[in-house]
Amino acid sequence: ELKVEQNPLFLSMQEGKNYTIYCNYSTTSDRLYWYRQDPGKSLESLFVLLSNGAVKQEGRLMASLDTKARLSTLHITAAVHDLSATYFCAVDGDSNYQLIWGAGTKLIIKP
Amino acid sequence: NAGVMQNPRHLVRRRGQEARLRCSPMKGHSHVYWYRQLPEEGLKFMVYLQKENIIDESGMPKERFSAEFPKEGPSILRIQQVVRGDSAAYFCASSPAGASEQYFGPGTRLTVT
Repeated sequence: ELKVEQNPLFLSMQEGKNYTIYCNYSTTSDRLYWYRQDPGKSLESLFVLLSNGAVKQEGRLMASLDTKARLSTLHITAAVHDLSATYFCAVDGDSNYQLIWGAGTKLIIKP
Repeated sequence: NAGVMQNPRHLVRRRGQEARLRCSPMKGHSHVYWYRQLPEEGLKFMVYLQKENIIDESGMPKERFSAEFPKEGPSILRIQQVVRGDSAAYFCASSPAGASEQYFGPGTRLTVT
């Protein structure tokens, strides 16, 4: 069964701290996607990682991909309240149009 | 360039009624995907369509659910004889041909009373 596992599923942290969200997957996909979802809102694409060793950064968020380990990380640096959201990772399924999704990591950043 | 549009944004139906959810993909996108999201859960793939074709409906319940993407007009997800368990957020996403990155609409939140 194709699986994408995120951990932690819930994270509460203080502003200014650093933390990492992990995404493990069981497919042989070389592509991994990170999305953000605010409560009651749609999903916003954050990063598309296309190859082993890919690293992308946007503001306080940095995503990396290790296809050999089938692991992606989303690192948050000096967290701010505005980053509170649920973060999903997804990988290509057996068919290249179908994405397999993680359960999401709900991130709460306290002022 | 308008993004993916979905309507209605909120839909309330009584048990046994029909629900019709509409999705207009981004301009230039010919692929449409429907997902369901239960509260506090991730996305579950339902169906993938191209114009006038259902490519993969492996995530669709076998009964009461159907989807179409006609040559003209939006994609429609239709749920007949809704039950309480159908209450969820339904998201539509689109992508251009040959690309896997998907762009999401705002979702339709269906409540079955």
